[in-house]
Amino acid sequence: GPKVLQIPSHQIIDMGQMVTLNCDPVSNHLYFYWYKQILGQQMEFLVNFYNGKVMEKSKLFKDQFSVERPDGSYFTLKIQPTALEDSAVYFCASSLPGNTLYFGEGSRLIVV
Amino acid sequence: TQTVSQSDAHVTVFEGDSVELRCNYSYGGSIYLSWYIQHHGHGLQFLLKYYSGNPVVQGVNGFEAEFSKSDSSFHLRKASVHWSDSAVYFCAVSASDNNRIFFGDGTQLVVKP
Repeated sequence: GPKVLQIPSHQIIDMGQMVTLNCDPVSNHLYFYWYKQILGQQMEFLVNFYNGKVMEKSKLFKDQFSVERPDGSYFTLKIQPTALEDSAVYFCASSLPGNTLYFGEGSRLIVV
Repeated sequence: TQTVSQSDAHVTVFEGDSVELRCNYSYGGSIYLSWYIQHHGHGLQFLLKYYSGNPVVQGVNGFEAEFSKSDSSFHLRKASVHWSDSAVYFCAVSASDNNRIFFGDGTQLVVKP
């Protein structure tokens, strides 16, 4: 089936540094999402993105977070600066209208 | 605001047993209801979805789910589970007029041999 690729799969970073998580969505998809998962539990919505703009974001999407997809390249989640509580697995997803999400394998972020 | 509740955090069954994973939702409008599966260390994979029509929806690998408007439920079922069905199952709800998708807390299914 359609694949969403996420780079990197793992990253360890010092608190306060910047990190960029990259997502290559399914090629003809229009909607893009980031979710945060801690300890294999709840999938917490962070943000969705359409037509070059953030459509909705949750309270977890702090001011230190930003997303963009310049010129149809990677859909990125940037955290600057990182905090200890940002340690989690971040999942990217994409979809067409109709709300069936296709997820990547996740980017495990460890902030030390 | 849509919400979705999965009442069982863990379910343990034996291979060959039937299983039902429960999902209840609250939303007044027109919605999509979905189930996703997550194997350990991987992303979520779509299983099935209901929007309208036949309330019993068939998915992959013998899974099905039944929508009940009166109970506000969308329970997932399988008649005979296999050890490879061991995973976390997430119920999801979204309004048909936006693309914000809410997930339940997940149910960890363990299938014993």
